[in-house]
Amino acid sequence: DVKVTQSSRYLVKRTGEKVFLECVQDMDHENMFWYRQDPGLGLRLIYFSYDVKMKEKGDIPEGYSVSREKKERFSLILESASTNQTSMYLCASSELDTQYFGPGTRLTVL
Amino acid sequence: GESVGLHLPTLSVQEGDNSIINCAYSNSASDYFIWYKQESGKGPQFIIDIRSNMDKRQGQRVTVLLNKTVKHLSLQIAATQPGDSAVYFCAENKGQGNLIFGKGTKLSVKP
Repeated sequence: DVKVTQSSRYLVKRTGEKVFLECVQDMDHENMFWYRQDPGLGLRLIYFSYDVKMKEKGDIPEGYSVSREKKERFSLILESASTNQTSMYLCASSELDTQYFGPGTRLTVL
Repeated sequence: GESVGLHLPTLSVQEGDNSIINCAYSNSASDYFIWYKQESGKGPQFIIDIRSNMDKRQGQRVTVLLNKTVKHLSLQIAATQPGDSAVYFCAENKGQGNLIFGKGTKLSVKP
């Protein structure tokens, strides 16, 4: 079975803090993705990566950056957290078309 | 079906009945579709997929039907159980491994 893990299930941070969300997959997948999910807006793609040290902007990259130093790990960084970044963050990985998701991180920014 | 509004469409069924969840997709060139199930507080879970060269695909208690003429996808769940209560959403491939996701339908199963 594909396993995608995320470092935290719940996280509470203060406005202006730097936040790191970590994602690890154990299936040697090439592709990894970061989404945020908000009520009524569905899943929105923040960033994705097709290979180590490679990144592509998704639909809503503003306020975020990513890092992929190793194939199995894809990190999402909020340089200076703001209250409008309170959301559920989901990581996914894929080899071809099928994306497999982690359990999600519920981030609250106060 | 899928909605772009603030409220998720909901479907309420009696335990043991069959459920049908619908999805309209946008791109006639899409050749791959997936259904996901998301339980409260969890990440989406892959249920079943279908390629555009097929009209129907069956899994365990689930069937996906694809009508390319009207760009419509449906998920049928047989003998719905309380554990099937979740949000279900469809996804279509956008190219380069990216997917476009629907907003979801909330399924509630009454005991």
